[in-house]
Amino acid sequence: ETGVTQSPTHLIKTRGQQVTLRCSSQSGHNTVSWYQQALGQGPQFIFQYYREEENGRGNFPPRFSGLQFPNYSSELNVNALELDDSALYLCASSLDVSPDTQYFGPGTRLTVL
Amino acid sequence: AQSVAQPEDQVNVAEGNPLTVKCTYSVSGNPYLFWYVQYPNRGLQFLLKYITGDNLVKGSYGFEAEFNKSQTSFHLKKPSALVSDSALYFCAVRDKSTSNTGKLIFGQGTTLQVKP
Repeated sequence: ETGVTQSPTHLIKTRGQQVTLRCSSQSGHNTVSWYQQALGQGPQFIFQYYREEENGRGNFPPRFSGLQFPNYSSELNVNALELDDSALYLCASSLDVSPDTQYFGPGTRLTVL
Repeated sequence: AQSVAQPEDQVNVAEGNPLTVKCTYSVSGNPYLFWYVQYPNRGLQFLLKYITGDNLVKGSYGFEAEFNKSQTSFHLKKPSALVSDSALYFCAVRDKSTSNTGKLIFGQGTTLQVKP
């Protein structure tokens, strides 16, 4: 186990709703990255948070937003959910912004109906 | 643009035989290369990485990978496969010279099936 935890494990939402996913990073890690893994695909980088500020963003629209808290835990918020947002959302924690290795949590499975 | 290709959707091997899962990459600068494994309904588990130095990298659970700069490849290998190695394997790259984030670019994944 990596020590990275995510909640909830599964979530079902309706199109147009909003969702918040949570991630607790590994002890001592100050950086959290979020990835979206659609069914049958590799994970895609959403954004990274370092010391409570966004530090890099992938090709995702502004309705994907995040927060990082002083204890380095993080939230991913998605507004106006679309069917294509159905995916496994993974967070990864690391020591610093350009790490050798990122450690992934178990993921949150989001289903949008 | 950075990219990773895993040319095989699935690799089938018999238990006890050697296995290879292929990965090629494209980056503009020098790469950091990684292999992760994903079991059903689980997150990604780190297997090994190449940062610099020896081209042959050893990782968890008896896996190793060889960095080949001229062929831009980073194939995952194991001398003797176990049924428990059956899982989904992802190769990932980060361009350390152009990225100030830990952004990883992943391949599509290769399903490894080890049969008894």
